[in-house]
Amino acid sequence: DGGITQSPKYLFRKEGQNVTLSCEQNLNHDAMYWYRQDPGQGLRLIYYSQIVNDFQKGDIAEGYSVSREKKESFPLTVTSAQKNPTAFYLCASGTYTLSYNEQFFGPGTRLTVL
Amino acid sequence: GQSLEQPSEVTAVEGAIVQINCTYQTSGFYGLSWYQQHDGGAPTFLSYNALDGLEETGRFSSFLSRSDSYGYLLLQELQMKDSASYFCAPGGQTNAGKSTFGDGTTLTVKP
Repeated sequence: DGGITQSPKYLFRKEGQNVTLSCEQNLNHDAMYWYRQDPGQGLRLIYYSQIVNDFQKGDIAEGYSVSREKKESFPLTVTSAQKNPTAFYLCASGTYTLSYNEQFFGPGTRLTVL
Repeated sequence: GQSLEQPSEVTAVEGAIVQINCTYQTSGFYGLSWYQQHDGGAPTFLSYNALDGLEETGRFSSFLSRSDSYGYLLLQELQMKDSASYFCAPGGQTNAGKSTFGDGTTLTVKP
């Protein structure tokens, strides 16, 4: 089955620790994205990647880092510099052309920093 | 700058029709996507309008007017399972298909 997976579903960390969230897709999509969602709010773009070994900052990149060493994988590290990291993190991969744009989302990781 | 406006909440009864409006102002606009998100879940894609006009997919239709920077999602024959948040997301080919998501509209369907 083709899809996008994120792990773990729930993650608890102590304040001041870095944590890495996994995102894997087997949809053969070039583009991948990381979003943050706070309760009752929309999705805010953290980072996105158009191709292997290249990625761009989104609207709220401060305190986060990513890598794109493989087409299938786009891990997100939440660093201790992120002041309020507790949130729901969603990874997506996508296909886009001039006339079409669709993103496929993983199930998300709920990060709680204690 | 970029801006996106949707109503925050909409309530309707089963079997009714509801329209969720979206106005946007964004650079690099190619089209307008709509996503559905149930509480606690991940967003799922509903539709994408690249051209002006109405696109119909079953009970859901989506409309775009590029000249008015306006679109809407029309949900017909509402069912309880349609209770969810709905996001319009302008974007497209520019910058790897990057889309901008607003705060969404929470739809509550009542019996």
